[in-house]
Amino acid sequence: DTEVTQTPKHLVMGMTNKKSLKCEQHMGHRAMYWYKQKAKKPPELMFVYSYEKLSINESVPSRFSPECPNSSLLNLHLHALQPEDSALYLCASSQVGGVETQYFGPGTRLLVL
Amino acid sequence: DQQVKQNSPSLSVQEGRISILNCDYTNSMFDYFLWYKKYPAEGPTFLISISSIKDKNEDGRFTVFLNKSAKHLSLHIVPSQPGDSAVYFCAASGKSNFGNEKLTFGTGTRLTIIP
Repeated sequence: DTEVTQTPKHLVMGMTNKKSLKCEQHMGHRAMYWYKQKAKKPPELMFVYSYEKLSINESVPSRFSPECPNSSLLNLHLHALQPEDSALYLCASSQVGGVETQYFGPGTRLLVL
Repeated sequence: DQQVKQNSPSLSVQEGRISILNCDYTNSMFDYFLWYKKYPAEGPTFLISISSIKDKNEDGRFTVFLNKSAKHLSLHIVPSQPGDSAVYFCAASGKSNFGNEKLTFGTGTRLTIIP
């Protein structure tokens, strides 16, 4: 089973809203990732958690706040987003965060009005 | 600085023929390469990978070739099927500035299989 689940599938929010994206995996993986993908562009890495500790933060604006409550769950808290933040947000997981395959969830399509 | 490049944004192939997707990279420190398939509004699905110590890996209809001296990899799909129509991303794994591994993706190639 290589399933990563993400909720919600779609989200529309205003610039003053606070919302959260959720990601879950039950593969026993210890590394989890958030990516952002704009139309016709490749996924871009935002954050990496390895063993529940934030290990990579690719200079993402503070209006995006990741949280890893345990090794199976990864959240992305959103606050005061801008319309240009509209994108597909992808979660991925891998065994330990080393040289290995990352498995992706279906993504959350976010629209900021 | 695009370290992983897919120079063909699109490719059309007749059903039953071979599809060849290409990818070039510039960073010689990349040590693991992957191909993902992606449908619109869905997450990338892992297809096949290859370590830098190998030059070929095969899985069913999919074969990945790696030419380290040319910094080039390719994905061969044979025979091509209509369900293969999707966007294909190559990705390379290497050390980030923080010392952890990270994936760098190419820009993608849209493959269309013509029935």
